[in-house]
Amino acid sequence: GAVVSQHPSRVICKSGTSVKIECRSLDFQATTMFWYRQFPKKSLMLMATSNEGSKATYEQGVEKDKFLINHASLTLSTLTVTSAHPEDSSFYICSASSLAGVRTQYFGPGTRLLVL
Amino acid sequence: GIQVEQSPPDLILQEGANSTLRCNFSDSVNNLQWFHQNPWGQLINLFYIPSGTKQNGRLSATTVATERYSLLYISSSQTTDSGVYFCAVPRGADGLTFGKGTHLIIQP
Repeated sequence: GAVVSQHPSRVICKSGTSVKIECRSLDFQATTMFWYRQFPKKSLMLMATSNEGSKATYEQGVEKDKFLINHASLTLSTLTVTSAHPEDSSFYICSASSLAGVRTQYFGPGTRLLVL
Repeated sequence: GIQVEQSPPDLILQEGANSTLRCNFSDSVNNLQWFHQNPWGQLINLFYIPSGTKQNGRLSATTVATERYSLLYISSSQTTDSGVYFCAVPRGADGLTFGKGTHLIIQP
């Protein structure tokens, strides 16, 4: 149980285009999902907290207009990188926290974004 | 915010060896998780351990909340144990603050 999927697993795009990344909780409902960013050989940094049916909460220094987050249902959150630039290239990982019991976070497999 | 420090940053061992990874945190926490990030980037939950000791096969973890540290023990290491081990504690509304990780290489 507690499986989280992400799509796509990797994407290459041109500068100026927008990229959407989906995060799904497959076998549980998640009122809260989280988006992290990881640079090569670095730790994970929380970008934003996504609550179903409400606006996302962004961490300090994360541009809301660049990283659009939508959490339309209890099993789906999306991250859209708008007008992507090479510096947006990174590994993006989502996680979901289950409703019941212990608030353990379960992580998706990540999406590698390369902006040319 | 809370600070999380992990040691050692890098560790190279021969197959069959035992290892201890440490995680120190700067403030009281009600949750602590250990993760293994495999070479493909997938984070695998190892332990949810706010206090006490847990064991799962060759891995075990101990958190001493009053002294603000947690230890991850790996016994009889295998090459598949290679990867980065992270500990993480809650920040704000359930988001996590991660340590910088321990990069473990198990050589055959």
